[in-house]
Amino acid sequence: DAGITQSPRHKVTETGTPVTLRCHQTENHRYMYWYRQDPGHGLRLIHYSYGVKDTDKGEVSDGYSVSRSKTEDFLLTLESATSSQTSVYFCAIREGNLREAFFGQGTRLTVV
Amino acid sequence: AQTVTQSQPEMSVQEAETVTLSCTYDTSESDYYLFWYKQPPSRQMILVIRQEAYKQQNATENRFSVNFQKAAKSFSLKISDSQLGDAAMYFCAYRSYSGGGADGLTFGKGTHLIIQP
Repeated sequence: DAGITQSPRHKVTETGTPVTLRCHQTENHRYMYWYRQDPGHGLRLIHYSYGVKDTDKGEVSDGYSVSRSKTEDFLLTLESATSSQTSVYFCAIREGNLREAFFGQGTRLTVV
Repeated sequence: AQTVTQSQPEMSVQEAETVTLSCTYDTSESDYYLFWYKQPPSRQMILVIRQEAYKQQNATENRFSVNFQKAAKSFSLKISDSQLGDAAMYFCAYRSYSGGGADGLTFGKGTHLIIQP
């Protein structure tokens, strides 16, 4: 295991409510990522971080924000959840330019 | 922006036979990385194999090998002696070498591999 934990693993929430997903790593890796996986789309990058308080947008960032106040934690927030944000969310970590990314086990989020 | 295309939504192979999954990509960069990830029903994303674009030699990991054709922008995965445990979704992914190293992965839409006993 790469020492990466996502919480919660499953969540059902109502439209319009805020939701925060947490990614925690024990590897002290510099880079952290949030992806979403939807049928027919593969995984798509939402946001990423290259250090504490250093974050940037990915391909599908609208409606999402992130924060990284500590090396080990990367939070993904849906300020006002919509049904289109129903998805499986994956966190990934990576260290070094030659290294592959390691993924968490995913969070299934359902917005009703 | 880079794109990754997996043209086979689903493939089926008999156990112990060989199967090849296709992947093509579009990029204007000369240095990059290519990956194959496996996602079994457990949902866990597992790295299968990695290829650096500057290496001409095709990567190999046990029963898994790639055919990397840089000029054609093709990166196929060959699975030899298929086993029931190989049944999964397989994703091809691209990562830029530039951008300060922070770039995320661009994924294809995946190929669902079925192993027939």
